[in-house]
Amino acid sequence: ETGVTQTPRHLVMGMTNKKSLKCEQHLGHNAMYWYKQSAKKPLELMFVYSLEERVENNSVPSRFSPECPNSSHLFLHLHTLQPEDSALYLCASSQVKGWHTIYFGEGSWLTVV
Amino acid sequence: AQKITQTQPGMFVQEKEAVTLDCTYDTSDPSYGLFWYKQPSSGEMIFLIYQGSYDQQNATEGRYSLNFQKARKSANLVISASQLGDSAMYFCAMREGLTGGGNKLTFGTGTQLKVEL
Repeated sequence: ETGVTQTPRHLVMGMTNKKSLKCEQHLGHNAMYWYKQSAKKPLELMFVYSLEERVENNSVPSRFSPECPNSSHLFLHLHTLQPEDSALYLCASSQVKGWHTIYFGEGSWLTVV
Repeated sequence: AQKITQTQPGMFVQEKEAVTLDCTYDTSDPSYGLFWYKQPSSGEMIFLIYQGSYDQQNATEGRYSLNFQKARKSANLVISASQLGDSAMYFCAMREGLTGGGNKLTFGTGTQLKVEL
C-alpha cells in the first residue's frame, strides 16, 4: 500500500471538460509535487509546493491549475486540455529539506479526446 | 547537457542472474543525491535505493546495490538474482542542492528491463 494515493487512476475527458486530479499523502511530508510522464519522454516536473506554497512552476500552460489546501492534499485542476496533454500524471511528496526520498503515487492516466 | 544519462533503452537478463543498469550524471553541486526508481506497467514509481554524494560506502537494499563511482560520475544499479517480477522500467534520478533544500528530482530516460526464464 502506497503512502501517496491518487484518484482517479484513469480519466478520459473531452477538450471542453473540466476535471480534477486528486492526491493525498499519509507520510507526514511537507512538500508535494506534480510530474507529467509522456510517452518516450523523461518525467517532467510541473509544480512544487513547499509548506503549502507554490515554489516552482515549470512553464506549465495555464490550462493546468494546481491547488494545495493543506500539506496532505494536492489537486491538479484541468480545463480545455489538448490531446497532447494525454499522459500519466504522477503526484509525489517528501520532506522539504535534507536527505529525503521523494515518494510517488500510482499515477493518474489521462486521455484527452 | 543532460543531467542524467541512461544509455540502455532495453536490457534482457535471465532469471536468477545479476544485471547492471547504467547511469551517469552531471552536476557541479557538491551536495546531491542519486535515486533509482522502478516503474511497472501499472504506472507507480517505486523507490528502490538512494546514494548521497558524501556517502563513503555503496548503498545496498536487499537484492539492489548501487555501484557509485564519484570520480566517473556514475551510479549504476545492480540487481542480483533477478526475478520475473523485476521486469519493469527503471529510472535513475538526481536531487541537487540538498544543503539548500533542493526539491527538484531530475530523471533519466529509463531502461526497460525484461527478465526471461
